Amino acid sequence: AQTVTQSQPEMSVQEAETVTLSCTYDTSESDYYLFWYKQPPSRQMILVIRQEAYKQQNATENRFSVNFQKAAKSFSLKISDSQLGDAAMYFCAYKVPEYGNKLVFGAGTILRVKS
Amino acid sequence: KAGVTQTPRYLIKTRGQQVTLSCSPISGHRSVSWYQQTPGQGLQFLFEYFSETQRNKGNFPGRFSGRQFSNSRSEMNVSTLELGDSALYLCASSIGTGIEQYFGPGTRLTVT
Repeated sequence: AQTVTQSQPEMSVQEAETVTLSCTYDTSESDYYLFWYKQPPSRQMILVIRQEAYKQQNATENRFSVNFQKAAKSFSLKISDSQLGDAAMYFCAYKVPEYGNKLVFGAGTILRVKS
Repeated sequence: KAGVTQTPRYLIKTRGQQVTLSCSPISGHRSVSWYQQTPGQGLQFLFEYFSETQRNKGNFPGRFSGRQFSNSRSEMNVSTLELGDSALYLCASSIGTGIEQYFGPGTRLTVT
């Protein structure tokens, strides 16, 4: 079974500092994609960053970067220079192209940013 | 380009009733997926429609059904509503087998 685990229900970070959110997944597939989605209190889910499993290089999008450890099945998100607008629920998700666009989500991590 | 829209945004229904939710994807997107979000179960995949055909289905009872029209708009229907169906229902659209999926704001369904 494909599962995604986020072991941190809640995290806090001081504004301007760095925080890392953890995610592990379980799969026997070789071709898959991993994502981090952000869901602010207004509820609209937004894609933060994605990683193709076949790419060894870690994805980066401005202040957001991932640490993709394929052998360990780990996919953590690092947020640098945290801003108040980063406060949200963050979901790690996984997709196998063979199954279309079905996303399997983790339980989410609430990120609080302190000013 | 307009984003994914969902109607209605809020809905209150009584147990035993049925409900239909609508999702209009981004123009040009042919795939629409539906998810149920609850505090207890998190985000769970319901089904995906692509070019009017159901491409994949999650582990939900037959009371949950959907369809997609030729203009790619999708509806999902829940019959014989139960209290446990109270949730935020999200839809997401994609061009097709593309990587990117874009989510709508959701429909908050409350069953009393």
